[in-house]
Amino acid sequence: EAQVTQNPRYLITVTGKKLTVTCSQNMNHEYMSWYRQDPGLGLRQIYYSMNVEVTDKGDVPEGYKVSRKEKRNFPLILESPSPNQTSLYFCASTHLLAGGPYGYTFGSGTRLTVV
Amino acid sequence: GIQVEQSPPDLILQEGANSTLRCNFSDSVNNLQWFHQNPWGQLINLFYIPSGTKQNGRLSATTVATERYSLLYISSSQTTDSGVYFCAVVFTSGTYKYIFGTGTRLKVLA
Repeated sequence: EAQVTQNPRYLITVTGKKLTVTCSQNMNHEYMSWYRQDPGLGLRQIYYSMNVEVTDKGDVPEGYKVSRKEKRNFPLILESPSPNQTSLYFCASTHLLAGGPYGYTFGSGTRLTVV
Repeated sequence: GIQVEQSPPDLILQEGANSTLRCNFSDSVNNLQWFHQNPWGQLINLFYIPSGTKQNGRLSATTVATERYSLLYISSSQTTDSGVYFCAVVFTSGTYKYIFGTGTRLKVLA
């Protein structure tokens, strides 16, 4: 089954404790991206990657890191989480056409709480 | 600045009613998608529609790129249509970033 798999689905952590949210896709997509969703602010892009070893900042990259060492995986790293990073996180992937990303598939989301 | 605006922000319908959701965008776009976020938080791709009209069952969408808007039509609404509907665009002038609107929250009453 074609899918984007995020883990974990739920995570409660303490301020400053490094964490990684994993994202994996099995559709051979070039383009992968991370979003956070907050009430009243909609979905905001954190980072995106157009291919292996190619990453770029989205609109809210502060406090996050990503890596794209393999095409299928795009982990999101919070080196020192803070309470303002409490949010619902989504990973998404798609093929990349001439005009840009095409036809997003989203993961199921990770609800992160930082206390 | 670059903007994606959706209207109405909230909509309550009786089951069986029809509705039209609107997405306005401030510049020319390469891509436009409509998504449905169900009450469990899952985001489902409805349409990839940078221009023209598409239909899928009770849902259809039209994008008029030259006038910078897209419409999502829901006919004979069902309670399972409830949730939040987002449009997202990739602006021609920007980098390869999807920009999401703030959504229309739809509640369909039985």
